[in-house]
Amino acid sequence: DAGVIQSPRHEVTEMGQEVTLRCKPISGHDYLFWYRQTMMRGLELLIYFNNNVPIDDSGMPEDRFSAKMPNASFSTLKIQPSEPRDSAVYFCASRMGRNYGYTFGSGTRLTVV
Amino acid sequence: AQSVTQLDSQVPVFEEAPVELRCNYSSSVSVYLFWYVQYPNQGLQLLLKYLSGSTLVESINGFEAEFNKSQTSFHLRKPSVHISDTAEYFCAVAGRTDKLIFGTGTRLQVFP
Repeated sequence: DAGVIQSPRHEVTEMGQEVTLRCKPISGHDYLFWYRQTMMRGLELLIYFNNNVPIDDSGMPEDRFSAKMPNASFSTLKIQPSEPRDSAVYFCASRMGRNYGYTFGSGTRLTVV
Repeated sequence: AQSVTQLDSQVPVFEEAPVELRCNYSSSVSVYLFWYVQYPNQGLQLLLKYLSGSTLVESINGFEAEFNKSQTSFHLRKPSVHISDTAEYFCAVAGRTDKLIFGTGTRLQVFP
């Protein structure tokens, strides 16, 4: 298994532009989580899905952030418009059922200038 | 709601010395506890986890952690560290919800 795959690995964009981060979970995993990591705030849970349905998006910072999971093998996190304070590493993780064996992707390092 | 406190932001130690990374949690319900390790520019890797049963859990690379319910702690220990153990270590807790909540991390720096 290739693990959780995130793309792109690095993204540099200008303030005001739309940014889309992508995640492919491990096949068979029915939970998907999006986290954001910054020096100031550490690892924050943004949103998670179960069977492609968003369960809890209380960690999404603003309406500029949105996430979708159109099918079991793909999820996106979109920021529109992006701002410099959105600069962070964004991680996707997946899990199968309640075994709590979370697997994390390598992350997307986003820089908004 | 669950929360995790990692009291030490950085722990410097010499190679082959023992180390303890402290983790305390807060929860009103039964919890599952985890330690993750993050090497530079990489994602998080599961080091070990406590779900139930024996309160002492071990990883394949010599780390161990003990769940102490009375002290609400899950400290990570290793009797002899290596240079390659230099990394960021995160304690995490999951409770009745599906959320995995992380502590702020402890940077372990092993010196030769």
